[in-house]
Amino acid sequence: EVKLLESGGGLVQPGGSLRLSCVASGFIFNKCGMGWVRQAPGKGLEWASAVSPGGSPNYGDSVNGRFTISRDNSKNTMYLQMDSLKVEDTAIYYCAKRSGAGGPFDSWGQGVPVTVSS
Amino acid sequence: VMTQSPATLSVSPGERATLSCRASQSVFSNLGWYQQKPGQAPRLLIYGISTRATDVPARFSGSGSGTDFTLTISSLQSEDFAVYYCQQYNDWPLTFGGGTKVEIK
Repeated sequence: EVKLLESGGGLVQPGGSLRLSCVASGFIFNKCGMGWVRQAPGKGLEWASAVSPGGSPNYGDSVNGRFTISRDNSKNTMYLQMDSLKVEDTAIYYCAKRSGAGGPFDSWGQGVPVTVSS
Repeated sequence: VMTQSPATLSVSPGERATLSCRASQSVFSNLGWYQQKPGQAPRLLIYGISTRATDVPARFSGSGSGTDFTLTISSLQSEDFAVYYCQQYNDWPLTFGGGTKVEIK
């Protein structure tokens, strides 16, 4: 059974930083792309970032230059370093597994809340 | 850009629901559909335009090609009332449609 467990969310002031983690189990981690998808309160899904099995990153326009995605295949863990946070980054952040290297998101974590507010 | 219509669909249980998704350029077969219920994470329903994901009931079907896609729920059950999103994974940035809320009529 695939399991994805996010942690690291919380309340932070504008301009601050947070680091999210996602620990994965139940599949061969180093064979699958991974990503972060966020959902602002009452809004739809927004892709934030993804990382290939080998660690190559990609970012959505709204987070590019402020967020850094990475993974440690020896620990079956993915990270999202979020810097220069803005109020509009407030959302539930979902860790998601891709089908293979570049398919759809076929498994999702339960999500971790991030609130950016003064 | 992925555009979904309608934003809200009111359907009676047992009726058919047809949801649309349009891409601004061809995404080939790299198109998926997700279901999200309140307070829950999204769930993959359909990938590759028309392939049902694991444990997805046969009443869900996907069709289309290139830029125009459809998710059909043949006979709505109570557990199907939710928000549905399409997503292209053909190119960066990955993009989701704005969603269609299927509500009870």
